[in-house]
Parts: sequence; C-alpha cells; structure tokens
Amino acid sequence: GAGVSQSPRYKVAKRGQDVALRCDPISGHVSLFWYQQALGQGPEFLTYFQNEAQLDKSGLPSDRFFAERPEGSVSTLKIQRTQQEDSAVYLCASSLRGGVNNEQFFGPGTRLTVL
Amino acid sequence: AQKITQTQPGMFVQEKEAVTLDCTYDTSDQSYGLFWYKQPSSGEMIFLIYQGSYDEQNATEGRYSLNFQKARKSANLVISASQLGDSAMYFCAMREGQTGGFKTIFGAGTRLFVKA
Repeated sequence: GAGVSQSPRYKVAKRGQDVALRCDPISGHVSLFWYQQALGQGPEFLTYFQNEAQLDKSGLPSDRFFAERPEGSVSTLKIQRTQQEDSAVYLCASSLRGGVNNEQFFGPGTRLTVL
Repeated sequence: AQKITQTQPGMFVQEKEAVTLDCTYDTSDQSYGLFWYKQPSSGEMIFLIYQGSYDEQNATEGRYSLNFQKARKSANLVISASQLGDSAMYFCAMREGQTGGFKTIFGAGTRLFVKA
C-alpha cells in the first residue's frame, strides 16, 4: 500500500499478557518512530529507528517495552506483562530521512485496551 | 517546563471564517522544526504544515498558514475559510536539531469545532 499500515487496529489484552504491535512503514523510508497517545492527549515519543538501528529509545516507559526493526523495514513494538496504564493508541510514523524538517507519515494506530 | 504549549483546549469558528490556533514552544536549540498535524475523529494524524527555524518566510499550504514569531517562540496556525471538515484535533509539534535527539514533541492539542 501507499501509506503506513499498522496491525492489529484494535487489541484487547488481559493484564499480564504480552502483546506485539506491527508497523509497516512506507517503502524506502529510512526513519521509523513509535508514539503512545493516551486518550485526550498528544502523542508521546517512544522510540526511533534509522534503518535497523534503534538510535533513540529514551521514551520507552519501562523495560517491559521493547521495539525492533531487524531488516530496516517492518517494526514490532512488544509490551510484556501489560498493565492497565499501557492502555492507549500506539502510533507508528515513518519519514524518508531523519532530519528535523522531514515530514512524518503516520499510520492509523493500534488501540490497546488492557483489562 | 512544557516544550510545546497549546493554551486553547477547544475553539469554535463559523464556517467560512478564519481561525487562529495558538502554539508556543520552548527550546535552546538554534536549529529546530515546527509542525502542525490534524487528527480527525477517525484517529489518523495528517501533516498540515512545516516551519523551519531558519526559514525567514512564514510557511503556507493552501488554506493553512503558520504565523511564525521566532523572538516570541510562537508558531500559530491560521486556517482561512473554515470548512465543516476542518473539525478535528490539531497538534503543534517540534523537533530539535541538537539537544532533542530524534524525538518529536507534541502539544496537548486544540479541538476545533466548525459551525455551519
């Protein structure tokens, strides 16, 4: 497809379960970002990849959060032992390059609900 | 301190009128980029407009313009000739070139309601 895709679109998990969220960026885009958006708030940065290298993971809220992009295209955000406070929309974005002026294209998000 | 401040949680505008959404930012970097995104109720984030810190002209994209006042650290979005489809959340965001690493920082957003 032409845009960023994410799957699943909706995920319901019981507290303590592990989840994996997938992002397919636009083909050829070097940069990939993950954000967490709580209800009624702006997105919060989680992590950044340039190709397969994770250059910034300063936004990951705990060591239960792990992201990878092993071949420099598809990325997976994994949350272990989910907690209720993890409930949010997880947005993935990609951009052609990594500079400050590069427009980020966002996917539709995955809405995670932890019961 | 908040890096991006949007002081208007909600705004109303009459269809076909112009509206200004406020955004102030805080950075010590000389090189940075400012962005506005629109998020309709469907949830996707749509890029609207970009302003670089070294750009001397205010950015414009169709009905969107960015009123960039560097000394005041403000980057207000102006939407001209509002349409019903403009009703959405609007986020101001910043990427810092030196100290910020690779992150984009978003404000809390302004919900715009366009009245017929």
